[in-house]
Amino acid sequence: QQQVKQSPQSLIVQKGGISIINCAYENTAFDYFPWYQQFPGKGPALLIAIRPDVSEKKEGRFTISFNKSAKQFSLHIMDSQPGDSATYFCAATKETSGSRLTFGEGTQLTVNP
Amino acid sequence: NAGVTQTPKFRVLKTGQSMTLLCAQDMNHEYMYWYRQDPGMGLRLIHYSVGEGTTAKGEVPDGYNVSRLKKQNFLLGLESAAPSQTSVYFCASSSWTSGNTIYFGEGSWLTVV
Repeated sequence: QQQVKQSPQSLIVQKGGISIINCAYENTAFDYFPWYQQFPGKGPALLIAIRPDVSEKKEGRFTISFNKSAKQFSLHIMDSQPGDSATYFCAATKETSGSRLTFGEGTQLTVNP
Repeated sequence: NAGVTQTPKFRVLKTGQSMTLLCAQDMNHEYMYWYRQDPGMGLRLIHYSVGEGTTAKGEVPDGYNVSRLKKQNFLLGLESAAPSQTSVYFCASSSWTSGNTIYFGEGSWLTVV
């Protein structure tokens, strides 16, 4: 079963707009929630991550919002740029599991110029 | 700065043939992983290793075998390929010193006809 559900499957945003991708998890033992960015023909690369002791983490134009009670977290991309066009994966793990990540299904983001 | 290197990058197999995917990392990481990526399903863990000489099953291990004879190498074998194993395969590695950041290779595209 899919323990991490991600939506939407695809997203089209205009340049300068805000991109929002949502994820929900089931396993309350998860305590580390990263987002990975993947460009065509490349492997995923870590973008930003959060632990449940904070409700928000910001790095440049990228922000993770975390709602522990709802078991949901989301990625916000402010001032979206064409170079942000990629596939984004949310993931979750229990930190003592040796980084065995459970991934969401992925969101293909297209930012139009 | 190689990081995680996978070979081959592309391969076409006939049903029933066998093959081995090779993963090599030069970061002295303890943990190594094999994931498969399929449209709409995100990345799913096939097998992983927490150290030289050790391997364990992930979420979708059936039809695959692995070996970790050297710390820097992690091999994924398909003994009798099936069309359902057509996928993009990603190797990854991490270390307890890198937190939960895992580093991916660029992928191996496998088609089974």
